[in-house]
Amino acid sequence: EIVLTQSPGTLSLSPGERATLSCRASQSVTSSYLAWYQQKVGQAPRLLIYGASTRANGIPDRFSGSGSGTDFTLTISRLEPEDFAVYYCQQYGTTPPPFGQGTRLEIK
Amino acid sequence: EVQLVESGGGLVQPGESLRLSCSASGFSFSGNAMHWVRQAPGKGLENVAGIRSNGVTTYLADSVKGRFTISRDNSKNTVYLQMNSLKTEDTAVYYCVKDLKWDTDGPFVLWGQGTRVTVSS
Repeated sequence: EIVLTQSPGTLSLSPGERATLSCRASQSVTSSYLAWYQQKVGQAPRLLIYGASTRANGIPDRFSGSGSGTDFTLTISRLEPEDFAVYYCQQYGTTPPPFGQGTRLEIK
Repeated sequence: EVQLVESGGGLVQPGESLRLSCSASGFSFSGNAMHWVRQAPGKGLENVAGIRSNGVTTYLADSVKGRFTISRDNSKNTVYLQMNSLKTEDTAVYYCVKDLKWDTDGPFVLWGQGTRVTVSS
């Protein structure tokens, strides 16, 4: 069973800055089946990135994903006020598909 | 509009049962696998159950095996989660989720708004 570890637990940045979130898998992720989700307070999560680097429909291009094997990164190039939320990575392609524990992105 | 609407949550006592329903609209329901994901208060996301588009193959998290069952009725565009022998640790918001693919191995492309389940004496 793959375990996903996200870092940091909390990231404090200001609007306009660049955010880099990490997701490390305990085993190699098959075919880069790695997704990222955003969850704002009081809302359901939404898919941002899948296949490690493909943006989901309607996701702004300031969000980008990269990585392969066991190390993956979500980058937000210039933070907007609405980007402050909790971000989860997920390895799909196995059942049940595990989530990481989340990174909270907060306003500095 | 493409959406998922959950219902059936509520307050129950330990040992009791609940059935959650998720009604889908705006897409061809029979073409996608579906999942249930839960989130305990202040905690992260936990995958609970999933079902293939044809309803034949399912999976359950170890934490709910033997107690929960997932099923679907493609004629009604609805997926269900039958929860028996509920425990206090099952307290969570339960989200219905649409898979990108017909099998339960794709990313989760659409989420419902969630239904709250509270198990307490």
